[in-house]
Amino acid sequence: ETGVTQTPRHLVMGMTNKKSLKCEQHLGHNAMYWYKQSAKKPLELMFVYSLEERVENNSVPSRFSPECPNSSHLFLHLHTLQPEDSALYLCASSQVMKRGGNEQYFGPGTRLTVT
Amino acid sequence: GESVGLHLPTLSVQEGDNSIINCAYSNSASDYFIWYKQESGKGPQFIIDIRSNMDKRQGQRVTVLLNKTVKHLSLQIAATQPGDSAVYFCAEGVSNFNKFYFGSGTKLNVKP
Repeated sequence: ETGVTQTPRHLVMGMTNKKSLKCEQHLGHNAMYWYKQSAKKPLELMFVYSLEERVENNSVPSRFSPECPNSSHLFLHLHTLQPEDSALYLCASSQVMKRGGNEQYFGPGTRLTVT
Repeated sequence: GESVGLHLPTLSVQEGDNSIINCAYSNSASDYFIWYKQESGKGPQFIIDIRSNMDKRQGQRVTVLLNKTVKHLSLQIAATQPGDSAVYFCAEGVSNFNKFYFGSGTKLNVKP
């Protein structure tokens, strides 16, 4: 148990559906991240929130919409996804320090299948 | 994004032997490196990190070596155990930018 939880763990959705992934961290961290993990590809950074402000949007399609209402919660809203969006979506959190050092704690991920 | 790659996609070792997993990175400005372990059905788990002002760091049964001249990172696991079987990722980044780029991973199989 890393202190980062994600729900749901598995999600199957059609291309016309709207769904949301939820992440919660219980570590008191000040930064949260969304990553996409596809088969045979490196972990891809999608979004970074630091102190509840989005500081990174890594050329992610607009059908993915993040939301960070507070430092403990992070959402990823999904709509009109494509089959190639099927992947494991991982949430992470970290405590960003002035001197750097940014160990990220990952949740177990949500396995998303788009049909 | 940055390019972080791994030399070997799969590594098989005998239980009790030492394992070495290698990683090449591309950004000379990267100053912070992390090794993660990912077991099946779980998210990546932090193993050890190293800053660019160091060339070696040791943890419990693990050692990370950093060669900035050739932009190479390695993870050494001593006395490898079956529980070490997982996929191992290296990640590089510039620590004050909250961004890290991950390699594609090496799968470690430990044979009993």
